[in-house]
Amino acid sequence: AQTVTQSQPEMSVQEAETVTLSCTYDTSESDYLFWYKQPPSRQMILVIRQEAYKQQNATENRFSVNFQKAAKSFSLKISDSQLGDAAMYFCDSILKGGGSEKLVFGKGTKLTVNP
Amino acid sequence: NAGVTQTPKFQVLKTGQSMTLQCAQDMNHEYMSWYRQDPGMGLRLIHYSVGAGITDQGEVPNGYNVSRSTTEDFPLRLLSAAPSQTSVYFCASSPRPLSPGANVLTFGAGSRLTVL
Repeated sequence: AQTVTQSQPEMSVQEAETVTLSCTYDTSESDYLFWYKQPPSRQMILVIRQEAYKQQNATENRFSVNFQKAAKSFSLKISDSQLGDAAMYFCDSILKGGGSEKLVFGKGTKLTVNP
Repeated sequence: NAGVTQTPKFQVLKTGQSMTLQCAQDMNHEYMSWYRQDPGMGLRLIHYSVGAGITDQGEVPNGYNVSRSTTEDFPLRLLSAAPSQTSVYFCASSPRPLSPGANVLTFGAGSRLTVL
């Protein structure tokens, strides 16, 4: 089965420090990769999107991606961590096959931000 | 805009009962999907639809039915609820296709279902 793997069930970081959440994928033809955030409110929020055919890593303010295509690795770096960054983080990839497309999610990483 | 609306937000069922989780979107999105979220399991795709009249199975379709008679609505039916279906359910939609333009999923607020 094609999968997306987040090897860190939980991570913690001190406020204002930097943390990196890891993700590897085993989906074929992954043109796009995403990180979503789910705060305690349960609402899913897009954090960042990476186009796999672009060499340049995506950046959105304090959030950046380290995309290693050959290694099929897609990690999320959060700089200057804030208390509001505490949430579950999910990476996901588009799975193509049989003429259809669907998103496959990792199991998530729970991030705690310590004041 | 309302976005993706899921109802009900909470539901308690007894084993064997049936129910329907409603999902409606007002963004004219062609792609709609249902996920269930369980602790330590992430989000798992149950069923999805790429347009009215078209549905397909995801990773965990057993025990669930869907239909897509209109672009706006994508209800999820539990015909005979089981305790293993206790979960939080999310409906999500996107303009189709997913890949070109990397269309992002818009999620509903979730529905917490408990089966006793």
